[in-house]
Amino acid sequence: EAQVTQNPRYLITVTGKKLTVTCSQNMNHEYMSWYRQDPGLGLRQIYYSMNVEVTDKGDVPEGYKVSRKEKRNFPLILESPSPNQTSLYFCASSSTGWNQPQHFGDGTRLSIL
Amino acid sequence: KQEVTQIPAALSVPEGENLVLNCSFTDSAIYNLQWFRQDPGKGLTSLLLIQSSQREQTSGRLNASLDKSSGRSTLYIAASQPGDSATYLCAVRKVETSGSRLTFGEGTQLTVNP
Repeated sequence: EAQVTQNPRYLITVTGKKLTVTCSQNMNHEYMSWYRQDPGLGLRQIYYSMNVEVTDKGDVPEGYKVSRKEKRNFPLILESPSPNQTSLYFCASSSTGWNQPQHFGDGTRLSIL
Repeated sequence: KQEVTQIPAALSVPEGENLVLNCSFTDSAIYNLQWFRQDPGKGLTSLLLIQSSQREQTSGRLNASLDKSSGRSTLYIAASQPGDSATYLCAVRKVETSGSRLTFGEGTQLTVNP
């Protein structure tokens, strides 16, 4: 089954404790993205990648890092999480070209205390 | 900066009605526009994607139109069913030499009552 898998689905942690949210897709897609969804602000793009070793900042990259060492994986790293990063996070992928529909994971709900 | 607005924020209709969801955007220089549905506890599911050169796309009971010059798109749902209950989001993509941005509206929460 074609899918985008995020782990963990839920996480409660404390300020300053480094964490990684993994994202993996099995569709051989080149393009992958991370978004966060907040009430009143909607979905906002954090980072995206157009291929292995190619990443670019989205609208809200501060406090986040990403890496794209393999085509299927695009982890989101919070080096020193803060409470304002409490949010619902989504990973998405699409095949080559921005004219292709994006496929989303089921989301990761992060709570930073 | 691109802004995307969806009206109404919430809509409740009886089963069988035809309905229209609206999306407007401030910068008409878009690459494409995509409609998604989001179910509680789930990610987004792509419904329709309209390229900037297209006027509309259809899939089953769904029809999306795009008027780029006026910064508007509509999603028409025919013969609504309770299973259509979800939040519907529109998103516009801009592609520039500096990168690509996908900007979302906040969504319309649709409830279809049996």
